[in-house]
Amino acid sequence: GAVVSQHPSWVICKSGTSVKIECRSLDFQATTMFWYRQFPKQSLMLMATSNEGSKATYEQGVEKDKFLINHASLTLSTLTVTSAHPEDSSFYICSASPVGLAGAHEQFFGPGTRLTVL
Amino acid sequence: DQQVKQNSPSLSVQEGRISILNCDYTNSMFDYFLWYKKYPAEGPTFLISISSIKDKNEDGRFTVFLNKSAKHLSLHIVPSQPGDSAVYFCAARNQAGTALIFGKGTTLSVSS
Repeated sequence: GAVVSQHPSWVICKSGTSVKIECRSLDFQATTMFWYRQFPKQSLMLMATSNEGSKATYEQGVEKDKFLINHASLTLSTLTVTSAHPEDSSFYICSASPVGLAGAHEQFFGPGTRLTVL
Repeated sequence: DQQVKQNSPSLSVQEGRISILNCDYTNSMFDYFLWYKKYPAEGPTFLISISSIKDKNEDGRFTVFLNKSAKHLSLHIVPSQPGDSAVYFCAARNQAGTALIFGKGTTLSVSS
Protein backbone atom coordinates (compact mmCIF):
# COMPACT_ATOMS: atom_id res chain seq x y z
CA GLY A 1 0.00 0.00 0.00
CA ALA A 2 0.87 3.66 -0.13
CA VAL A 3 3.46 4.72 2.42
CA VAL A 4 4.00 8.16 3.86
CA SER A 5 6.99 8.90 6.02
CA GLN A 6 7.75 11.77 8.35
CA HIS A 7 11.04 12.95 9.71
CA PRO A 8 11.91 13.42 12.47
CA SER A 9 9.58 11.30 14.55
CA TRP A 10 10.34 13.30 17.69
CA VAL A 11 12.06 16.60 18.16
CA ILE A 12 12.80 18.61 21.26
CA CYS A 13 13.87 22.20 20.80
CA LYS A 14 14.41 25.37 22.75
CA SER A 15 11.89 28.16 22.69
CA GLY A 16 12.60 30.62 19.89
CA THR A 17 14.21 28.15 17.51
CA SER A 18 12.77 26.85 14.25
CA VAL A 19 12.00 23.23 13.46
CA LYS A 20 11.50 21.63 10.06
CA ILE A 21 9.36 18.53 9.61
CA GLU A 22 9.48 16.55 6.38
CA CYS A 23 6.66 14.54 4.88
CA ARG A 24 7.42 12.17 2.02
CA SER A 25 5.25 9.89 -0.07
CA LEU A 26 7.53 6.92 -0.65
CA ASP A 27 5.82 4.96 -3.41
CA PHE A 28 3.41 7.38 -4.99
CA GLN A 29 3.15 10.97 -6.11
CA ALA A 30 0.94 13.47 -4.36
CA THR A 31 -0.12 16.80 -5.81
CA THR A 32 -1.68 17.69 -2.51
CA MET A 33 -0.57 16.94 0.99
CA PHE A 34 -2.26 17.94 4.21
CA TRP A 35 -0.86 18.93 7.56
CA TYR A 36 -2.78 18.16 10.73
CA ARG A 37 -2.14 18.82 14.36
CA GLN A 38 -3.35 16.77 17.27
CA PHE A 39 -3.40 17.79 20.91
CA PRO A 40 -3.65 15.07 23.59
CA LYS A 41 -7.04 13.37 23.58
CA GLN A 42 -8.26 15.67 20.82
CA SER A 43 -9.12 15.12 17.21
CA LEU A 44 -6.88 15.82 14.26
CA MET A 45 -7.23 19.45 13.24
CA LEU A 46 -6.35 20.47 9.71
CA MET A 47 -3.73 23.19 9.65
CA ALA A 48 -3.11 23.66 5.95
CA THR A 49 -3.31 22.14 2.52
CA SER A 50 0.02 21.91 0.75
CA ASN A 51 -0.08 22.20 -3.04
CA GLU A 52 2.88 21.20 -5.19
CA GLY A 53 4.32 24.21 -6.94
CA SER A 54 2.04 26.77 -5.34
CA LYS A 55 1.30 28.40 -2.02
CA ALA A 56 -0.28 26.46 0.77
CA THR A 57 -3.83 27.11 1.85
CA TYR A 58 -4.11 27.71 5.56
CA GLU A 59 -7.09 27.09 7.78
CA GLN A 60 -8.60 29.92 9.74
CA GLY A 61 -6.61 30.70 12.83
CA VAL A 62 -3.37 29.14 11.60
CA GLU A 63 -0.55 31.69 11.21
CA LYS A 64 1.05 31.20 7.82
CA ASP A 65 4.16 33.12 8.84
CA LYS A 66 4.65 30.84 11.80
CA PHE A 67 3.95 27.55 10.08
CA LEU A 68 5.79 27.71 6.77
CA ILE A 69 4.87 25.06 4.26
CA ASN A 70 6.83 24.19 1.15
CA HIS A 71 5.76 21.55 -1.35
CA ALA A 72 8.83 21.36 -3.55
CA SER A 73 8.05 18.14 -5.38
CA LEU A 74 5.31 15.58 -5.86
CA THR A 75 6.77 13.47 -3.06
CA LEU A 76 7.90 16.01 -0.48
CA SER A 77 6.25 18.64 1.67
CA THR A 78 7.88 20.38 4.59
CA LEU A 79 6.42 22.19 7.58
CA THR A 80 8.66 24.63 9.40
CA VAL A 81 7.57 25.85 12.80
CA THR A 82 9.30 29.20 13.16
CA SER A 83 10.22 30.73 16.51
CA ALA A 84 8.65 27.81 18.32
CA HIS A 85 7.08 28.33 21.74
CA PRO A 86 5.92 25.80 24.33
CA GLU A 87 2.32 26.16 23.16
CA ASP A 88 3.41 24.82 19.77
CA SER A 89 4.22 21.51 21.39
CA SER A 90 1.97 18.99 19.72
CA PHE A 91 1.77 15.99 17.44
CA TYR A 92 2.01 16.98 13.78
CA ILE A 93 0.78 14.56 11.13
CA CYS A 94 0.81 14.81 7.36
CA SER A 95 -1.27 12.95 4.82
CA ALA A 96 -1.40 12.52 1.05
CA SER A 97 -3.58 11.07 -1.66
CA PRO A 98 -2.10 9.29 -4.70
CA VAL A 99 -2.18 11.24 -7.96
CA GLY A 100 -3.88 9.77 -10.98
CA LEU A 101 -5.48 6.84 -9.22
CA ALA A 102 -9.06 6.85 -10.42
CA GLY A 103 -11.53 7.00 -7.60
CA ALA A 104 -8.85 7.35 -4.97
CA HIS A 105 -10.26 8.91 -1.89
CA GLU A 106 -8.24 7.46 0.91
CA GLN A 107 -5.64 9.63 2.45
CA PHE A 108 -2.54 7.94 3.72
CA PHE A 109 -1.04 9.33 6.86
CA GLY A 110 2.50 9.61 8.03
CA PRO A 111 3.48 8.30 11.45
CA GLY A 112 3.49 11.78 12.93
CA THR A 113 6.10 14.00 14.52
CA ARG A 114 6.03 14.85 18.18
CA LEU A 115 7.32 18.36 18.81
CA THR A 116 8.28 19.37 22.32
CA VAL A 117 9.31 22.98 22.84
CA LEU A 118 11.08 23.70 26.11
CA ASP B 1 -19.15 24.01 14.79
CA GLN B 2 -18.32 20.34 14.53
CA GLN B 3 -19.30 18.86 11.20
CA VAL B 4 -18.35 15.32 12.21
CA LYS B 5 -19.33 14.11 15.65
CA GLN B 6 -18.46 11.01 17.57
CA ASN B 7 -20.52 11.37 20.71
CA SER B 8 -19.13 8.36 22.55
CA PRO B 9 -15.59 8.97 23.74
CA SER B 10 -15.13 5.34 24.74
CA LEU B 11 -16.53 1.85 24.23
CA SER B 12 -15.74 -1.39 26.02
CA VAL B 13 -16.53 -4.74 24.44
CA GLN B 14 -15.72 -8.34 25.22
CA GLU B 15 -13.66 -10.37 22.81
CA GLY B 16 -15.82 -12.14 20.24
CA ARG B 17 -18.71 -9.70 20.55
CA ILE B 18 -19.69 -6.97 18.14
CA SER B 19 -18.30 -3.43 18.44
CA ILE B 20 -20.44 -0.65 17.04
CA LEU B 21 -18.92 2.78 16.67
CA ASN B 22 -21.16 5.65 15.70
CA CYS B 23 -20.64 8.89 13.86
CA ASP B 24 -22.96 11.75 12.93
CA TYR B 25 -22.37 14.52 10.45
CA THR B 26 -24.03 17.78 9.49
CA ASN B 27 -22.77 18.57 5.99
CA SER B 28 -24.90 16.97 3.29
CA MET B 29 -22.17 17.71 0.72
CA PHE B 30 -19.81 15.07 2.07
CA ASP B 31 -19.12 12.49 -0.66
CA TYR B 32 -16.91 10.01 1.15
CA PHE B 33 -16.78 8.79 4.70
CA LEU B 34 -13.80 6.99 6.15
CA TRP B 35 -12.84 5.22 9.31
CA TYR B 36 -9.31 5.33 10.64
CA LYS B 37 -7.69 3.46 13.50
CA LYS B 38 -5.03 5.18 15.53
CA TYR B 39 -2.57 4.11 18.20
CA PRO B 40 -0.90 6.68 20.49
CA ALA B 41 1.99 8.55 18.90
CA GLU B 42 1.28 7.05 15.48
CA GLY B 43 -0.46 8.30 12.38
CA PRO B 44 -3.99 7.10 11.59
CA THR B 45 -4.33 3.88 9.60
CA PHE B 46 -7.08 3.66 7.01
CA LEU B 47 -9.65 0.97 7.76
CA ILE B 48 -12.64 1.24 5.49
CA SER B 49 -14.61 3.84 3.59
CA ILE B 50 -17.98 4.33 1.99
CA SER B 51 -19.22 6.51 -0.80
CA SER B 52 -22.25 8.67 -0.17
CA ILE B 53 -24.09 6.79 -2.92
CA LYS B 54 -23.91 3.53 -1.01
CA ASP B 55 -25.39 2.41 2.26
CA LYS B 56 -23.08 -0.46 3.16
CA ASN B 57 -19.51 -1.52 2.60
CA GLU B 58 -17.96 -4.63 4.03
CA ASP B 59 -14.33 -5.69 4.36
CA GLY B 60 -13.66 -8.75 6.43
CA ARG B 61 -14.61 -8.13 10.03
CA PHE B 62 -15.36 -4.47 9.32
CA THR B 63 -18.63 -3.17 7.94
CA VAL B 64 -19.62 0.45 7.57
CA PHE B 65 -23.25 1.48 7.29
CA LEU B 66 -24.41 4.84 6.01
CA ASN B 67 -27.83 6.35 6.64
CA LYS B 68 -27.90 9.54 4.60
CA SER B 69 -31.34 10.64 5.71
CA ALA B 70 -30.21 10.53 9.32
CA LYS B 71 -26.70 11.78 8.47
CA HIS B 72 -25.35 8.88 10.47
CA LEU B 73 -22.79 6.20 9.87
CA SER B 74 -21.53 3.35 11.96
CA LEU B 75 -18.62 0.96 11.96
CA HIS B 76 -19.29 -2.62 12.99
CA ILE B 77 -16.46 -4.90 14.01
CA VAL B 78 -17.32 -8.53 14.43
CA PRO B 79 -15.95 -10.52 16.06
CA SER B 80 -14.01 -8.01 18.12
CA GLN B 81 -10.45 -8.90 19.03
CA PRO B 82 -8.12 -7.49 21.70
CA GLY B 83 -5.89 -6.16 18.92
CA ASP B 84 -8.76 -3.93 17.81
CA SER B 85 -8.26 -1.82 20.93
CA ALA B 86 -7.38 1.66 19.66
CA VAL B 87 -8.88 5.05 18.96
CA TYR B 88 -11.23 5.04 15.98
CA PHE B 89 -11.78 8.23 14.02
CA CYS B 90 -14.64 8.88 11.68
CA ALA B 91 -13.74 11.27 8.85
CA ALA B 92 -15.56 12.85 5.96
CA ARG B 93 -14.60 14.54 2.69
CA ASN B 94 -16.71 17.02 0.75
CA GLN B 95 -14.79 17.12 -2.51
CA ALA B 96 -12.03 15.22 -4.25
CA GLY B 97 -8.61 16.49 -3.26
CA THR B 98 -9.78 18.21 -0.12
CA ALA B 99 -8.77 17.48 3.42
CA LEU B 100 -10.66 15.18 5.72
CA ILE B 101 -12.73 16.44 8.60
CA PHE B 102 -12.35 14.25 11.63
CA GLY B 103 -14.53 13.46 14.58
CA LYS B 104 -13.00 13.48 18.05
CA GLY B 105 -12.56 9.75 18.10
CA THR B 106 -13.85 6.84 20.13
CA THR B 107 -11.51 4.73 22.22
CA LEU B 108 -12.37 1.06 21.82
CA SER B 109 -11.23 -1.40 24.46
CA VAL B 110 -11.68 -5.08 23.73
CA SER B 111 -11.14 -7.34 26.71
CA SER B 112 -10.29 -11.01 26.51
